[in-house]
Amino acid sequence: DAGVIQSPRHEVTEMGQEVTLRCKPISGHNSLFWYRQTMMRGLELLIYFNNNVPIDDSGMPEDRFSAKMPNASFSTLKIQPSEPRDSAVYFCASSGGTAIYNSPLHFGNGTRLTVT
Amino acid sequence: AQRVTQPEKLLSVFKGAPVELKCNYSYSGSPELFWYVQYSRQRLQLLLRHISRESIKGFTADLNKGETSFHLKKPFAQEEDSAMYYCALSSILTGGGNKLTFGTGTQLKVEL
Repeated sequence: DAGVIQSPRHEVTEMGQEVTLRCKPISGHNSLFWYRQTMMRGLELLIYFNNNVPIDDSGMPEDRFSAKMPNASFSTLKIQPSEPRDSAVYFCASSGGTAIYNSPLHFGNGTRLTVT
Repeated sequence: AQRVTQPEKLLSVFKGAPVELKCNYSYSGSPELFWYVQYSRQRLQLLLRHISRESIKGFTADLNKGETSFHLKKPFAQEEDSAMYYCALSSILTGGGNKLTFGTGTQLKVEL
């Protein structure tokens, strides 16, 4: 099992450009989470999918951010247009059930985004 | 709303010294708490969960509802314990399922 796979590992882009981050959850997991990590705010939940349906997107900072999960094995997080304050590490995580204490989160390696 | 507070960004101890990483939470429901760890160049991974009352790699954490705390402890620090530690609180989503709210993390550095 390769675990949660995220791509790219690093992304450097200019302000105003569109950025797309990708995630492949662990096969069989039905919950997927996107987190953003910064020094100031730690890990913030952006959006949560259960069975490919967005359940809670209250953490998405603004309309420039969008996320999709077209099928059980793939999700994207898009930022359009990107801004320097979006620079952070973005993590994708999946779990095998709805009860987290029984199904802990498995994290990907993250995508380090730098917007200049 | 739920909140997790880790007051220390960095904790530096000597090898063999006791370790205590502080975590306080705020949640109106019955809390489910976890510690996650991120070693250098590795993924964030689950260390332990309060419901299991387990000891992992010598670490323990006791939920204290009166003080709303879930501090992580180890009696004798080892060099390989150096890592970033996150305290997390599970809360129920109205749409179904749970989500984890993380603290800002504490970087533990164990010096020789």
